[in-house]
Amino acid sequence: KNQVEQSPQSLIILEGKNCTLQCNYTVSPFSNLRWYKQDTGRGPVSLTIMTFSENTKSNGRYTATLDADTKQSSLHITASQLSDSASYICVVSDRGSTLGRLYFGRGTQLTVWP
Amino acid sequence: EADIYQTPRYLVIGTGKKITLECSQTMGHDKMYWYQQDPGMELHLIHYSYGVNSTEKGDLSSESTVSRIRTEHFPLTLESARPSHTSQYLCASRAGGAGRPDTQYFGPGTRLTVL
Repeated sequence: KNQVEQSPQSLIILEGKNCTLQCNYTVSPFSNLRWYKQDTGRGPVSLTIMTFSENTKSNGRYTATLDADTKQSSLHITASQLSDSASYICVVSDRGSTLGRLYFGRGTQLTVWP
Repeated sequence: EADIYQTPRYLVIGTGKKITLECSQTMGHDKMYWYQQDPGMELHLIHYSYGVNSTEKGDLSSESTVSRIRTEHFPLTLESARPSHTSQYLCASRAGGAGRPDTQYFGPGTRLTVL
């Protein structure tokens, strides 16, 4: 079973609307959580990174939240644009090894329609 | 924009061919990684390196091999490609030691198709 679960699997919204993507994880011990944006055929690009002590982080129109007690994170996108169409991947790192092992979700495929 | 590059971006080859996927970064990062990603699925770590002359296998068993002779270069080789190797291969690197939440920077990926 994947230790990082994302929902929804896919989402279609109209340009200008807001949306929220969810990430639940079971990774322990927890180190940090990152949200990446991956355009089709490209590598993932980091949007935000949060450690245990941080519960919110913003990057322009992207705002990520983290509840380390419930092991949940969300990524909120405001005033969506066509260029937001991409896969959004939640990645959790553990503290259990020097590698800083990363656990990847399968991503939420967001499509923004004009 | 991350300074990590992969070539080729797309590759279509026949079964049994030997191929090398190139990855290079100009950020001076010690740690480098190779991931395999199928459509709609999560990334799976297949190889990683802590530095020059250091290579380790990742979580997903892979018939590929890697080398790290120079800090900036981390090529992946398949001695005899098969259709089951068809996938997207992503290279990544990061700086920092254990415990620091440094970001992994990803290359654009190589889409490999083996006929």
